[in-house]
Amino acid sequence: ILNVEQSPQSLHVQEGDSTNFTCSFPSSNFYALHWYRWETAKSPEALFVMTLNGDEKKKGRISATLNTKEGYSYLYIKGSQPEDSATYLCASFHTDKLIFGTGTRLQVFP
Amino acid sequence: DGGITQSPKYLFRKEGQNVTLSCEQNLNHDAMYWYRQDPGQGLRLIYYSQIVNDFQKGDIAEGYSVSREKKESFPLTVTSAQKNPTAFYLCASQARGLEGSPLHFGNGTRLTVT
Repeated sequence: ILNVEQSPQSLHVQEGDSTNFTCSFPSSNFYALHWYRWETAKSPEALFVMTLNGDEKKKGRISATLNTKEGYSYLYIKGSQPEDSATYLCASFHTDKLIFGTGTRLQVFP
Repeated sequence: DGGITQSPKYLFRKEGQNVTLSCEQNLNHDAMYWYRQDPGQGLRLIYYSQIVNDFQKGDIAEGYSVSREKKESFPLTVTSAQKNPTAFYLCASQARGLEGSPLHFGNGTRLTVT
């Protein structure tokens, strides 16, 4: 069974703080790395999909990087806001299926 | 609006009964997935289908069955053989062959078996 790991498991920050999470995945048979945001009572929503080593993506205050050779991706949130509170999932696409990590639960306090 | 619909939102069943969870999409996506979430765990893959009339087991397929007779529909049956069926179930779809395309998720079904 392929294993995708995320750290930290949870994070509590103050409004305005910047933060980052890590996703580690097997580098063999790698095709793509996905990041999703999952807010309470909603369905997971795609943030980024990255495929190439060195990829960097940005959406507003959120950005992500990808290192396929060493098998990790970072998600950064600049100037966290309470509305950023959610669980952030990463998932690695290998061969023909997407394997999810356990997620990082972020809480941003005003 | 295009989207993916799961029903019902909540489902209660007695132990020993089979139950079928519905998943319908109108996004014209070829690939569809079923995931299960338990407290403190990530999404675990139950079954997936890349094309009509074909599907593959995921990591935790035991006690589950699926069918893919139509592109739009991918129902999941939780059988009495599933030892711990109480969980949150998520269905998702994805444009086929485009691993660079994101998954679109339904709102999930919370199944409680007593």
